[in-house]
Amino acid sequence: GDSVTQMEGPVTLSEEAFLTINCTYTATGYPSLFWYVQYPGEGLQLLLKATKADDKGSNKGFEATYRKETTSFHLEKGSVQVSDSAVYFCALFGAQKLVFGQGTRLTINP
Amino acid sequence: EAGVAQSPRYKIIEKRQSVAFWCNPISGHATLYWYQQILGQGPKLLIQFQNNGVVDDSQLPKDRFSAERLKGVDSTLKIQPAKLEDSAVYLCASSLDGGQVYGYTFGSGTRLTVV
Repeated sequence: GDSVTQMEGPVTLSEEAFLTINCTYTATGYPSLFWYVQYPGEGLQLLLKATKADDKGSNKGFEATYRKETTSFHLEKGSVQVSDSAVYFCALFGAQKLVFGQGTRLTINP
Repeated sequence: EAGVAQSPRYKIIEKRQSVAFWCNPISGHATLYWYQQILGQGPKLLIQFQNNGVVDDSQLPKDRFSAERLKGVDSTLKIQPAKLEDSAVYLCASSLDGGQVYGYTFGSGTRLTVV
């Protein structure tokens, strides 16, 4: 079945550092891909998305490119802030539903 | 637009008791989902409704969990009787287009603790 694998956390960085959170997927066909963010005590918020190969999703300084050849959708940000501390979930839309990875907890220290 | 509303925010019950969660989706969203998020894991789909019909409940433990969506709007999820392993955050979400292009909009969730 469809599945998503994320890099294990937690990830701890200093403010202004470069961020990469790896995400790879297994799916039939070409699913839409998403990154969601969950701040403490809140629900999941859509961060960015890509619906076809080579699409780049971007929002709030975060980017991810849909790579069909490597079945990946890695999340990147050039300069993280303390306010980016949260749990990040990679997800794919397959078989008419969203399937999530296990999440990566990110902590940014000032 | 108003978001997905869920209540209560927190609930603590003893094992073998029953509990119910309520969700009001975004107006006009035909599809509604209940997810279970156990601490340290990604959300897992329990049940999906299209209007007031069930589309997918393959991951719903039907011996203890039930859900309904009356009139295709609000939905309730019930657990009876609860077990310790049901401790989790229960997330409700809705979508306009089924989710393929715009994804889902999630509520803040209900955190259930079973003691």
